[in-house]
Amino acid sequence: GAGVSQSPRYKVAKRGQDVALRCDPISGHVSLFWYQQALGQGPEFLTYFQNEAQLDKSGLPSDRFFAERPEGSVSTLKIQRTQQEDSAVYLCASSLERLANQETQYFGPGTRLLVL
Amino acid sequence: SQQGEEDPQALSIQEGENATMNCSYKTSINNLQWYRQNSGRGLVHLILIRSNEREKHSGRLRVTLDTSKKSSSLLITASRAADTASYFCATVRYGGSNYKLTFGKGTLLTVNP
Repeated sequence: GAGVSQSPRYKVAKRGQDVALRCDPISGHVSLFWYQQALGQGPEFLTYFQNEAQLDKSGLPSDRFFAERPEGSVSTLKIQRTQQEDSAVYLCASSLERLANQETQYFGPGTRLLVL
Repeated sequence: SQQGEEDPQALSIQEGENATMNCSYKTSINNLQWYRQNSGRGLVHLILIRSNEREKHSGRLRVTLDTSKKSSSLLITASRAADTASYFCATVRYGGSNYKLTFGKGTLLTVNP
């Protein structure tokens, strides 16, 4: 069956440009997560949605980062005025239930963002 | 911030040998999970062990958890070249925020044919 998909897979942006990264979770999954993975590091939590509600955005690095999931399915992570330190792989994950503490999170392939 | 630390950072073995990776973490957890990541398949969930479990098996994988030492180990037996990947442990904290995964920095495993 279809897994989590993300687009674009690769994005090159000039410093100062705005970018939008898309995530299509597994159909019917309630929970959706965004993670940021810098080169040589493990993924770090950015934000969490339960259906359309953004319940936790504590991991967003700055107010230039904004995420939404307006209809409780597809999600978009937007980065305004990109900086070089934003270069990373952005991973989206979804899980079936509300509480992920007993649930597997299924990850997409990621979007590799390079800011020049 | 990273919760866990994997050890070693890199490991190179021959096909057929066993590989052991360790993970230490800092806070009380609900469960600990191991993931594999390679360029071909992205981040893939391998196994989950709950805080009240001490050992778990899945195929060629064996995971142990010692909550008193806040550590876990992942053993891959009879390794194959296809096991070459980065391996991450990830924890789910006990109590609040018990939905997000906190990852370590990973162990890069290379299995030579």
